Amino acid sequence: DIVMTQSPDSLAVSLGERATINCKSSQSVLYSSNNKNYLAWYQQKPGQPPKLLIYWASTRESGVPGRFSGSGSGTDFTLTISSLQAEDVAVYYCQQYYSTLLTFGGGTKVEIK
Amino acid sequence: EVQLLESGGGLVQPGGSLRLSCAASGLSFSSYAMNWVRQAPGKGLEWVSVMSGGGSNSYYADSVKGRFTISRDNSKNTLYLQMNSLRAEDTAVYYCAKRSTWSDAFDLWGQGTVVTVSS
Repeated sequence: DIVMTQSPDSLAVSLGERATINCKSSQSVLYSSNNKNYLAWYQQKPGQPPKLLIYWASTRESGVPGRFSGSGSGTDFTLTISSLQAEDVAVYYCQQYYSTLLTFGGGTKVEIK
Repeated sequence: EVQLLESGGGLVQPGGSLRLSCAASGLSFSSYAMNWVRQAPGKGLEWVSVMSGGGSNSYYADSVKGRFTISRDNSKNTLYLQMNSLRAEDTAVYYCAKRSTWSDAFDLWGQGTVVTVSS
């Protein structure tokens, strides 16, 4: 199985500041035939199901604010919230869909400092 | 409105069985692979199983292989998860999730149903 490791486990950021979350896969999730990274990011607020933010490592889902961006390739990925808003308090998960056996990272909790 | 609605959760004793359902509405259900994902109390997300749109292919996480069976009835727009030989560690919120048209990420999730395995 592909193991997804997120860091940090939690972070506290001031309103309007940048939040950066890292995700590392145990093997590459870049599919050479189409040059796409099979990596997604989700946001989960308390008591709610997860919400898709980013797919193909850097493509924002429709309706997702522009302050959310994804980057990286191969085994190392980053989710950036450029200017943290109060409504962004949540747990964020990365997920690989390269393998038939899908796996999620352990999650990163984002709070307001 | 496009939505997924899970049902069938509850309290079951270790070794028991439970069948979860996920009713889809507002979408062409048979066109999409469907998944079950679970979340133990205070823990992260764990993918459980997937079934292709036509129902011919299915895959399972190692933690549930041989105990859980995924199925679907496209005439009823419903996904199922038959859970047998339940263990305490199967206690979780179970979500159904639809794979996106544009990628294999999950673009639609249900609200979840709670399964508690305890004596």
